Amino acid sequence: DVKVTQSSRYLVKRTGEKVFLECVQDMDHENMFWYRQDPGLGLRLIYFSYDVKMKEKGDIPEGYSVSREKKERFSLILESASTNQTSMYLCASSLEEGAVNEQFFGPGTRLTVL
Amino acid sequence: AQKITQTQPGMFVQEKEAVTLDCTYDTSDPSYGLFWYKQPSSGEMIFLIYQGSYDQQNATEGRYSLNFQKARKSANLVISASQLGDSAMYFCAMTSLEGGGADGLTFGKGTHLIIQP
Repeated sequence: DVKVTQSSRYLVKRTGEKVFLECVQDMDHENMFWYRQDPGLGLRLIYFSYDVKMKEKGDIPEGYSVSREKKERFSLILESASTNQTSMYLCASSLEEGAVNEQFFGPGTRLTVL
Repeated sequence: AQKITQTQPGMFVQEKEAVTLDCTYDTSDPSYGLFWYKQPSSGEMIFLIYQGSYDQQNATEGRYSLNFQKARKSANLVISASQLGDSAMYFCAMTSLEGGGADGLTFGKGTHLIIQP
């Protein structure tokens, strides 16, 4: 079974803090994604990566950055957390480019910024 | 730019009835893929079914089928013989296949389905 794990289920941070959300997948997937989910808005794509050290902006990249130093790990970074970044963050992964594959999601991290 | 519209914020359905969840989409890409995901109250996202824009037949997976009408740009999910465990949020999503299928998904806002005994 594909397993996508996220470092924390719940996280509380203060405004201005630097926040790291970690995601690890164990199935050698090339593609990894970060989404945020807000009530009434569905999921929105923040960043994605199709290879190590490669990253692409999604629909709402402002205020976020990412890092992919190893194939299995994709980190989302909030350089200076703000209250409007309080949300559920979901990581996902999928198999190689060139084939349409379902995305496998992690359990999510519910981030609260005070 | 892609857009997914789910017009039913919530639905109540009697157990054992069939359910149709609406999804319309908009894209300028000639080649695209459509997905449905289920999110129970526990929060995990569960893949249900996939339809490619080039597929001639509607996709089916067990009790799930996708009613794909390309000219109308609709991709409705049909759940046959609904069960109490089908109560969840359901999201329609799409991706462009122009980039090789590695792009992220564009999601709709979801439909909250509640199955009543």
